[in-house]
Amino acid sequence: GENVEQHPSTLSVQEGDSAVIKCTYSDSASNYFPWYKQELGKRPQLIIDIRSNVGEKKDQRIAVTLNKTAKHFSLHITETQPEDSAVYFCAASVGGYKLSFGAGTTVTVRA
Amino acid sequence: NAGVTQTPKFQVLKTGQSMTLQCAQDMNHNSMYWYRQDPGMGLRLIYYSASEGTTDKGEVPNGYNVSRLNKREFSLRLESAAPSQTSVYFCASDASGNTIYFGEGSWLTVV
Repeated sequence: GENVEQHPSTLSVQEGDSAVIKCTYSDSASNYFPWYKQELGKRPQLIIDIRSNVGEKKDQRIAVTLNKTAKHFSLHITETQPEDSAVYFCAASVGGYKLSFGAGTTVTVRA
Repeated sequence: NAGVTQTPKFQVLKTGQSMTLQCAQDMNHNSMYWYRQDPGMGLRLIYYSASEGTTDKGEVPNGYNVSRLNKREFSLRLESAAPSQTSVYFCASDASGNTIYFGEGSWLTVV
């Protein structure tokens, strides 16, 4: 089955700086790569996703890049704000079905 | 529109007791999932159902059973609870290849 590795496990950034989280996946057939944000005690919620037919996608301060050859994808958050503090999960699947998740990255934005 | 609803939210069980986690979605989704979340391990798939009447094992199915009662409902049963099953359980659903939506989670403690 699919194996997703996520790094780093924790990330502390100064407010206003950028944060980058990286994930690798094992199954070359995977073609759907979402990112979820989870606040303490809450459910994971989708913040952005990318499919294998594009290399980059942006939505305001967040962006995701995908390198299918190297089988890795990354989340970039610019101009970080205190409300960006949360746990972020990457995931991968074939066709969006039966997601496999990374272990998560705890992001702390220091004021 | 409630989305994905799961009950109970909190439960304490004694070792060896049984219980059923209930999940229902009102989005007419075909696929439904049960994940467990443990610190540092992300979300791991327990069981999934691609459509009404079908269920399949995920990554960590041992100690669990599921029932896809109809298109809306997907229950998870612990027949003989063990301390290793202490976790947060999330039910989720998607419309076959699109965004996965999670329920609010069920916090289960087995003592």
